[in-house]
Amino acid sequence: EVHLVESGGGLVRPGQSLRLSCVASAFPFSTSCMTWVRQAPGKGLEWVASISWYSTYIYYVDSVRGRFTISRDDAKNSLYLDMNSLTAEDTAIYYCTRSSGLGNYEFDYWGQGTLITVSS
Amino acid sequence: QSVLTQPPSTSGTPGQRVIISCSGGTFNVARNVVNWYQHLPGTAPKLLVHSNSQRPSGVPDRFSGSKSGTSASLAISGLQTEDEADYYCATWDDSLKGYVFGGGTKVTVL
Repeated sequence: EVHLVESGGGLVRPGQSLRLSCVASAFPFSTSCMTWVRQAPGKGLEWVASISWYSTYIYYVDSVRGRFTISRDDAKNSLYLDMNSLTAEDTAIYYCTRSSGLGNYEFDYWGQGTLITVSS
Repeated sequence: QSVLTQPPSTSGTPGQRVIISCSGGTFNVARNVVNWYQHLPGTAPKLLVHSNSQRPSGVPDRFSGSKSGTSASLAISGLQTEDEADYYCATWDDSLKGYVFGGGTKVTVL
């Protein structure tokens, strides 16, 4: 059974940094594309960042570009999201998702999410 | 303000058919496939329909998707109480170089 398990969430102060991790199992991670999607309290789903296999292609939503960095370690079946200069607007549940490619591909597996709260 | 427009809510009685619309534009829905996700608060979102109209294994055929031009829709036939959830359309946007989601539609079973 496919598992995506996120970790690293918590309460942080505005301006601080945080690293999210997602460990994958039961599918070929190295040939999968990975994406972070978030949901702010009371809001809908929002795409955050995507990374292709071999990290060849990386994309970010405008609101996080320059502050967040998505990366992967295929040897550890792990996806990361390094988040800097966090603001209250980054408060959300962050989901790790998988797809076979980027663009015309669906997110077929999702993790349970990890909550980040940015507050002073 | 989402790039893809969905109605905030819809409702129906058990057994009814409801349709959720997803309106986009030239660079997203018109050019790329639309996928639909079901989300119950506190759980992982679930892929419901991919590639405009394809159902993953295990998704009941009560759920069907379609797309025409810059709009897509998700139909739920024979509405059941367990269908009460939030539904999101999503696609790739060639101009934004990223994925876009609709604002979500909350389905209530009366």
